[in-house]
Amino acid sequence: AQSVTQLGSHVSVSEGALVLLRCNYSSSVPPYLFWYVQYPNQGLQLLLKYTTGATLVKGINGFEAEFKKSETSFHLTKPSAHMSDAAEYFCAVSYNTDKLIFGTGTRLQVFP
Amino acid sequence: DADVTQTPRNRITKTGKRIMLECSQTKGHDRMYWYRQDPGLGLRLIYYSFDVKDINKGEISDGYSVSRQAQAKFSLSLESAIPNQTALYFCATSDLIGTGTDTQYFGPGTRLTVL
Repeated sequence: AQSVTQLGSHVSVSEGALVLLRCNYSSSVPPYLFWYVQYPNQGLQLLLKYTTGATLVKGINGFEAEFKKSETSFHLTKPSAHMSDAAEYFCAVSYNTDKLIFGTGTRLQVFP
Repeated sequence: DADVTQTPRNRITKTGKRIMLECSQTKGHDRMYWYRQDPGLGLRLIYYSFDVKDINKGEISDGYSVSRQAQAKFSLSLESAIPNQTALYFCATSDLIGTGTDTQYFGPGTRLTVL
């Protein structure tokens, strides 16, 4: 079955440190790939998505992700964490349908 | 004003009660979705609708029903609520740009507790 794995349900970084949130998908056919963010007491909003073209995708708030087909990965990075980045991050995929399959989420904590 | 609204935002109910969660959108999108979020499980799709006459079951539809009253309104009902339906429920919408590539826009969520 097609699935999405997010390694690490919790990630903690210091303010100014690199943020790396991992996402891998399991299918032989590359999906469309998404990262959504959920701030406390809010709904999800799109950070970035890969559908076609350049494999390095830039999103909002300084985040970016790179699609690596050989590694079936779509890891999310940000060079320098800010306190306002504290949130839960969800990786999601779709396969030529409009149904998203979500990972289980990674909660990012940022310490001063 | 928010593009996707959900009412109520919080609800506590008792086992066996019927409850309806409502979603409205002003984005003009045809496609609407209901998800539930449980800690450690991410979001799971309950029902989705691609237009007013098209309603489909998602991954976990048992115990739920939906109604698409208009393009802008999509309601989720629990006919007889049970404690394991305690969760955070999200409505989302999307527009048809390309199959599978559409961004979904989420409401703020309804926190439901079934005692």
